[in-house]
Amino acid sequence: EAGVTQFPSHSVIEKGQTVTLRCDPISGHDNLYWYRRVMGKEIKFLLHFVKESKQDESGMPNNRFLAERTGGTYSTLKVQPAELEDSGVYFCASSQDNTGELFFGEGSRLTVL
Amino acid sequence: EDKVVQSPLSLVVHEGDTVTLNCSYEVTNFRSLLWYKQEKKAPTFLFMLTSSGIEKKSGRLSSILDKKELSSILNITATQTGDSAIYLCAVIKTYKYIFGTGTRLKVLA
Repeated sequence: EAGVTQFPSHSVIEKGQTVTLRCDPISGHDNLYWYRRVMGKEIKFLLHFVKESKQDESGMPNNRFLAERTGGTYSTLKVQPAELEDSGVYFCASSQDNTGELFFGEGSRLTVL
Repeated sequence: EDKVVQSPLSLVVHEGDTVTLNCSYEVTNFRSLLWYKQEKKAPTFLFMLTSSGIEKKSGRLSSILDKKELSSILNITATQTGDSAIYLCAVIKTYKYIFGTGTRLKVLA
């Protein structure tokens, strides 16, 4: 069975440009989470989808970040326009219910120059 | 504000040593605590602890939760170079997972 997959693995863009990260959760997992890890800091929650609905987006830093999960399958996280402080590794995770193990993707590293 | 604190931040040991990693939390509506191992890429699940005082074991790794002290420890005995990784602690509250900064463990041959 395929795990959580993320694309791209690494993206290098200039400040002011746009980047879209994609996450394909494990099939059948209703819960999908986006997290971000900035160098040297803890993995921070960004938002949580249950199917196609945003359950909690309290961790989204500002309105330059937009996450979608159309149809309740894959999700995208768009950063527009990107700033230097957006650099980090963006992890996606999914779970069958919200009380147990989270399955992580390998992360998308974003570097904003 | 909810927080999860791990210590030490970083640890360097030699093969064969035993290490103890700590995770303490201040989280309302605590449900469970999880440990993950992150090598190069995706964190991989190690343990989920819900009840206090019950040790979970997997090979050379073991972990226990102390709800009175709001903490958990992860023990690794007879460490090997393959144990080198970042060990993450996360606490589940309602539907949210709150992570600590992680402990970076390096095991030298």
